Amino acid sequence: SAVISQKPSRDICQRGTSLTIQCQVDSQVTMMFWYRQQPGQSLTLIATANQGSEATYESGFVIDKFPISRPNLTFSTLTVSNMSPEDSSIYLCSGMDRDGGYTFGSGTRLTVV
Amino acid sequence: AQRVTQPEKLLSVFKGAPVELKCNYSYSGSPELFWYVQYSRQRLQLLLRHISRESIKGFTADLNKGETSFHLKKPFAQEEDSAMYYCALSYGGAQKLVFGQGTRLTINP
Repeated sequence: SAVISQKPSRDICQRGTSLTIQCQVDSQVTMMFWYRQQPGQSLTLIATANQGSEATYESGFVIDKFPISRPNLTFSTLTVSNMSPEDSSIYLCSGMDRDGGYTFGSGTRLTVV
Repeated sequence: AQRVTQPEKLLSVFKGAPVELKCNYSYSGSPELFWYVQYSRQRLQLLLRHISRESIKGFTADLNKGETSFHLKKPFAQEEDSAMYYCALSYGGAQKLVFGQGTRLTINP
């Protein structure tokens, strides 16, 4: 199965700033997704990253707050914009390969102060 | 709406005892179900998917469509099984994953 490298692994950011998280997959995946895991909670899907076009966002998530890019099949970025303490979470990317298996990045632990 | 429910947030059993982690789902179509595990300081990784019908690390899970359940079982727990376990459902053409709340399993020596 694919291996996903995600960075940064953690960051502490000032409110009002933005952070871009990167995910690189070592082989082609058909789908890429971004999840958020708030403290003590399960994983919630933010959006599906579409290659070469706008991401598809889930209810409650908008492009202005979480712009996503996927310029090719193996790379995607998620930006958390104009951060507030409520954005403190773990953010994970995921890829689905051709046999329907999902692989996850190691996560980015974001703290907004 | 699609939903996955793991009723136990915490589960503690003794080494050598049987383990069952419960998972129930709601979905009107044909779901694909998974169990993911996250060991301490490691990334989320696939443990089982129902279509493969494999036994991984001694764990098995059977999809029961009548009860809409996909419980995870192991006959004899080992200390290295201590981890966070998530049940997940993939649905529809978009093949998005919906996760349960997770169960933290602790195996006591």
